[in-house]
Amino acid sequence: GAGVSQSPSNKVTEKGKDVELRCDPISGHTALYWYRQRLGQGLEFLIYFQGNSAPDKSGLPSDRFSAERTGESVSTLTIQRTQQEDSAVYLCASSPYYQETQYFGPGTRLLVL
Amino acid sequence: RKEVEQDPGPFNVPEGATVAFNCTYSNSASQSFFWYRQDCRKEPKLLMSVYSSGNEDGRFTAQLNRASQYISLLIRDSKLSDSATYLCVVNRGGGSNYKLTFGKGTLLTVNP
Repeated sequence: GAGVSQSPSNKVTEKGKDVELRCDPISGHTALYWYRQRLGQGLEFLIYFQGNSAPDKSGLPSDRFSAERTGESVSTLTIQRTQQEDSAVYLCASSPYYQETQYFGPGTRLLVL
Repeated sequence: RKEVEQDPGPFNVPEGATVAFNCTYSNSASQSFFWYRQDCRKEPKLLMSVYSSGNEDGRFTAQLNRASQYISLLIRDSKLSDSATYLCVVNRGGGSNYKLTFGKGTLLTVNP
């Protein structure tokens, strides 16, 4: 079946611009995660959605970062007023209801000039 | 102490070699443990879960020592296709089981 998809695959933007990253989870997966992976670093947890429960936003690094998800479908991660330190790969993952195995999308490579 | 610590490598081994990776974690409340692999410029993929009794999947063996908060991965008879970064992953436990903490990874290159 179809895996997790993300778009765009690459994004180059100028400092100060807003960007929107999209994630389509595997159909039927209730949990959705966003991570950030800077070059040579581990994955940093950003936000977690589980069904219609309130999301866990504890990993968002600043108020410039926000994410939305409607029900169990698509999620959007928005970064406002991008900074050069936001340059990274943004990975989305989904998992079935309360299972711990996470299935990752290919990521969006963001470069802020 | 970092939440999940791994030797970054790189490990360069010849085909057919046996190689072992180690990982330590700091959160004693962690309950679930995994190894993921990440190919260059690709997303992480689950390699195997790690169980208390230790588990094996073909050429791969994972061990867990809760007392020492230590996890290992052994790869026997290495193949060229095993070249990747191996990520040690631990859940946060304590009501945040869904939160996984990823190590920075250990880079393995298997040479012909």
